[in-house]
Amino acid sequence: QKEVEQNSGPLSVPEGAIASLNCTYSDRGSQSFFWYRQYSGKSPELIMSIYSNGDKEDGRFTAQLNKASQYVSLLIRDSQPSDSATYLCAGSASYGKLTFGQGTILTVHP
Amino acid sequence: EPEVTQTPSHQVTQMGQEVILRCVPISNHLYFYWYRQILGQKVEFLVSFYNNEISEKSEIFDDQFSVERPDGSNFTLKIRSTKLEDSAMYFCASEPAGGRETQYFGPGTRLLVL
Repeated sequence: QKEVEQNSGPLSVPEGAIASLNCTYSDRGSQSFFWYRQYSGKSPELIMSIYSNGDKEDGRFTAQLNKASQYVSLLIRDSQPSDSATYLCAGSASYGKLTFGQGTILTVHP
Repeated sequence: EPEVTQTPSHQVTQMGQEVILRCVPISNHLYFYWYRQILGQKVEFLVSFYNNEISEKSEIFDDQFSVERPDGSNFTLKIRSTKLEDSAMYFCASEPAGGRETQYFGPGTRLLVL
């Protein structure tokens, strides 16, 4: 069974801090990785995609990929209360099928 | 900004009834997907669809499920005889050509089977 695992949290950080979310995957054939944000009762919203080893930055978000360690992470700088949500890590190995982790609940408190 | 839309937003049905969930993907996207999320659980892949054919389907997507793109805009998921365990949020997603699996999700249909 090809899995994506996330630390389920919940993760609580103060406003303005860095939130660090982690994800590991078991399928070495996975080539593409994604971070989605999901508010309660809503659909997943794409935040970042990453395909190559290293870091990718987009505003306050930085995704990191290490294929040798089968590890993906998301850093959120200057966390805001509006960032409070469940963050889903997903990987893809074939035909676009995304395999999701169980999500990490993030709470940013004022 | 273009969005994936889904109807209905909520559907309540009796066990054994057929339901059809509808999606309008983003215009010009070529790849289409259905996922489901049982309350409190992971988002699970059901099926992918490209060029009017199923590309891949999961073990969940058994003979009770079918998908169709009846025209140039709609993409439907049919469950022929619903079971209690089909109760979930169903998400449609679409992906542009060359999108490298960058999928955009619709708002979902919450299905409750009684």
